[in-house]
Amino acid sequence: DIQMTQSPSSLSASVGDRVTITCRSSQIISRYLNWYQQKPGKAPKLLIYAASTLHSGVPSRFSGSGSGTDFTLTINNLQPEDFATYFCQQTYSTPPPTFGQGTKVEI
Amino acid sequence: EVHLVESGGGLVKPGGSLRLSCAASGFTFSAYNMNWVRQAPGKGLEWVSSITSSSSYIFYADSVKGRFTISRDNAENSLHLQLNSLRGEDTAVYYCATYGTMSAFDIWGQGTLVTVSS
Repeated sequence: DIQMTQSPSSLSASVGDRVTITCRSSQIISRYLNWYQQKPGKAPKLLIYAASTLHSGVPSRFSGSGSGTDFTLTINNLQPEDFATYFCQQTYSTPPPTFGQGTKVEI
Repeated sequence: EVHLVESGGGLVKPGGSLRLSCAASGFTFSAYNMNWVRQAPGKGLEWVSSITSSSSYIFYADSVKGRFTISRDNAENSLHLQLNSLRGEDTAVYYCATYGTMSAFDIWGQGTLVTVSS
């Protein structure tokens, strides 16, 4: 199975900050990398698919980049509603479609 | 509006069984591969099982293989997960999710909590 490793596990930031979360896969996954946002008590929501394509309705302050094994999620101008946990996921080699362990973005 | 609604969770004793359901609406359910994903309290996301649109292919995580059974009824727009021989480590919120054309889980239900405890 492909292992996904996110860093950091948590971070503290302020409204207006730029935040960067990284995700590394244990094998090359091309651009089959997705990012999800999850708020407490809620289901995850798809933010970005294919490493850099914003899902419908996702604000443009979110962006994704990378290919191969190293990927980045960037949030520009962090807003109060962006405080959440973010997960990466590979769908290059399935099953299983493995998730990273998550990065909690806190105030 | 697109919706997935899970049901069937609850408290069950170790070794017991539960049947989870996921009702779909607002999209062509029969065209989508479907998945179950779970999240233990305070933990990350774990893929559990998937089923293709016509039920031709079914896959399970090693942790549930032989104990859980996924199925679907396209006429009823519903997805199911039969959970048998439940263990404490199966305690989690179980989500159903579509596997969209972008190779991502694009629609999620709100989840249903399964608690395995004596």
